[in-house]
Amino acid sequence: GAVVSQHPSWVICKSGTSVKIECRSLDFQATTMFWYRQFPKQSLMLMATSNEGSKATYEQGVEKDKFLINHASLTLSTLTVTSAHPEDSSFYICSAPLETERGISGELFFGEGSRLTVL
Amino acid sequence: AQSVTQPDIHITVSEGASLELRCNYSYGATPYLFWYVQSPGQGLQLLLKYFSGDTLVQGIKGFEAEFKRSQSSFNLRKPSVHWSDAAEYFCAVAVTGTASKLTFGTGTRLQVTL
Repeated sequence: GAVVSQHPSWVICKSGTSVKIECRSLDFQATTMFWYRQFPKQSLMLMATSNEGSKATYEQGVEKDKFLINHASLTLSTLTVTSAHPEDSSFYICSAPLETERGISGELFFGEGSRLTVL
Repeated sequence: AQSVTQPDIHITVSEGASLELRCNYSYGATPYLFWYVQSPGQGLQLLLKYFSGDTLVQGIKGFEAEFKRSQSSFNLRKPSVHWSDAAEYFCAVAVTGTASKLTFGTGTRLQVTL
């Protein structure tokens, strides 16, 4: 089946530094990818929709300048947490919908997630 | 806006016992409904989905779910649980027409005792 891969799986950084997380669709093209954030014992919260060739669409309350999203190609989207602080520590998950000739199939494929810890 | 409620944060069942995980949604119309499973260190995997038609949906790994419009529910069931089913289970809904933009419930952690 379709595979979405995230890298890195976990990262520890100092406060004030920036961290980039990559999301790749390995065997299919994705014009759209979604970035979620998951706090411990909480649900996945949609942060933004990454669009290939155009600007990302952010959900209400998500800082665009804090969470930079770039959809560089049909198989790669990146999330950069800029000037990270401890409150940015979280589990970040990307997903991509499988697109068929009829459009989006309705199934999302998720990456393994990236755990960010900001000291 | 749509919302999803999973009333049970944590459930423990014995291996071989039956399982039912509850999910209720709030939305003006019938949304698209999904169940995902998340194992430690792995991404979410789709168990099953409901768009329309037969309200009893069969999924992978022996799971099924039933959509009940009158109760705004989409409960997940399995007749006989295996130890490997221990994981976090998420119910999700999507507004019709935007099947990829999901709203997730808070999840139910399933523990299986031998």
